[in-house]
Amino acid sequence: DGGITQSPKYLFRKEGQNVTLSCEQNLNHDAMYWYRQDPGQGLRLIYYSQIVNDFQKGDIAEGYSVSREKKESFPLTVTSAQKNPTAFYLCASSSLVGGYNEQFFGPGTRLTVL
Amino acid sequence: QKEVEQNSGPLSVPEGAIASLNCTYSDRGSQSFFWYRQYSGKSPELIMFIYSNGDKEDGRFTAQLNKASQYVSLLIRDSQPSDSATYLCAVKAPGSNYQLIWGAGTKLIIKP
Repeated sequence: DGGITQSPKYLFRKEGQNVTLSCEQNLNHDAMYWYRQDPGQGLRLIYYSQIVNDFQKGDIAEGYSVSREKKESFPLTVTSAQKNPTAFYLCASSSLVGGYNEQFFGPGTRLTVL
Repeated sequence: QKEVEQNSGPLSVPEGAIASLNCTYSDRGSQSFFWYRQYSGKSPELIMFIYSNGDKEDGRFTAQLNKASQYVSLLIRDSQPSDSATYLCAVKAPGSNYQLIWGAGTKLIIKP
């Protein structure tokens, strides 16, 4: 099955702790994205990557970090510098061929700060 | 600032009727437009995309684009209770290969 997987589904973080969210895709997509969704709001872009070993900040990158060592993988670390990390985190990917950039999403990780 | 606006709803529609969801965007140069469906607690799922003026139909769904008036609509015919969800509109930012600008979504409720 082709698709995007995210783990864990639920994650609990203590104050001052860094946590890493996993995102893997087997769609052979070049581009990958991380979004944050808060209740009643649209998706906000955290980071994106178009090729391996390269990534760019989105609109709300402060307190987050990413890596792109493999085409299939784009993990997100939520650092202790992110003061309000409780949210629903969504990973997406898209093919850059064709130009329409339809983005496909993984199932998401719900992060809660204790 | 580039914006995508949607009525948050909820929009309540009787089962079997046509549900009409609207989205307006601020950047006249926008080229591609997407509708996603998001069930409560789940991730968004792509329903349709449209890039030229007029209508695009896929089963019970029709996307309508009017670039002159800067709006895009999604019509759902023969609405079913399973269509109850939040519908997100996204617009590809002009000149960008990656960036989608998202509306906050419209909550749709189909009443049996």
